Amino acid sequence: DAGITQSPRYKITETGRQVTLMCHQTWSHSYMFWYRQDLGHGLRLIYYSAAADITDKGEVPDGYVVSRSKTENFPLTLESATRSQTSVYFCASSVTGESTRGYTFGSGTRLTVV
Amino acid sequence: AQTVTQSQPEMSVQEAETVTLSCTYDTSESDYYLFWYKQPPSRQMILVIRQEAYKQQNATENRFSVNFQKAAKSFSLKISDSQLGDAAMYFCAYRAGWGGGATNKLIFGTGTLLAVQP
Repeated sequence: DAGITQSPRYKITETGRQVTLMCHQTWSHSYMFWYRQDLGHGLRLIYYSAAADITDKGEVPDGYVVSRSKTENFPLTLESATRSQTSVYFCASSVTGESTRGYTFGSGTRLTVV
Repeated sequence: AQTVTQSQPEMSVQEAETVTLSCTYDTSESDYYLFWYKQPPSRQMILVIRQEAYKQQNATENRFSVNFQKAAKSFSLKISDSQLGDAAMYFCAYRAGWGGGATNKLIFGTGTLLAVQP
């Protein structure tokens, strides 16, 4: 969906390196989320943000850092990448108080840590 | 805490046949929403159908329908007249009713990989 863009689509990095995954949305949705997808686990929430400068941990936050200085951007940083962080990462957004819909997802970033 | 369980890791169906994917959930909330997402090989997450817990009528979207059993906390997806393009990973998801913070998060099951045989 053109309204939410993730970059890069693929990334290979080495253990110990810092890597940042980008997420940009054009709808001014208040809520943004980062999920990781792993076989046998489905999608698990890493961090979410209710608005600019408001972030909170999800189910699996260890090893990740987020920031949200602007409503439209929500980057996810792996401070020191580990092999266990090899995964597909999805960014998503939603409208405040609108619970009849799910989320709108980006197309995902496949990250491989070697 | 809310949980979503999909007990069928893989399913297979013949083209033009009907298949049902199972999903159960656990929650103490009375107001919530349930979703089925489709993820084809392109990785895109596509919303297939949604159900509001306060509605007794089962949701339908063309060939896709759900069997929502609130008391049993069951939310199965039925795909009728299966097509080759239906082959994908299907995720069941739960979201609590309106509210800020964590109540806005989607909780996913582990997924069911559906194969469609020609």
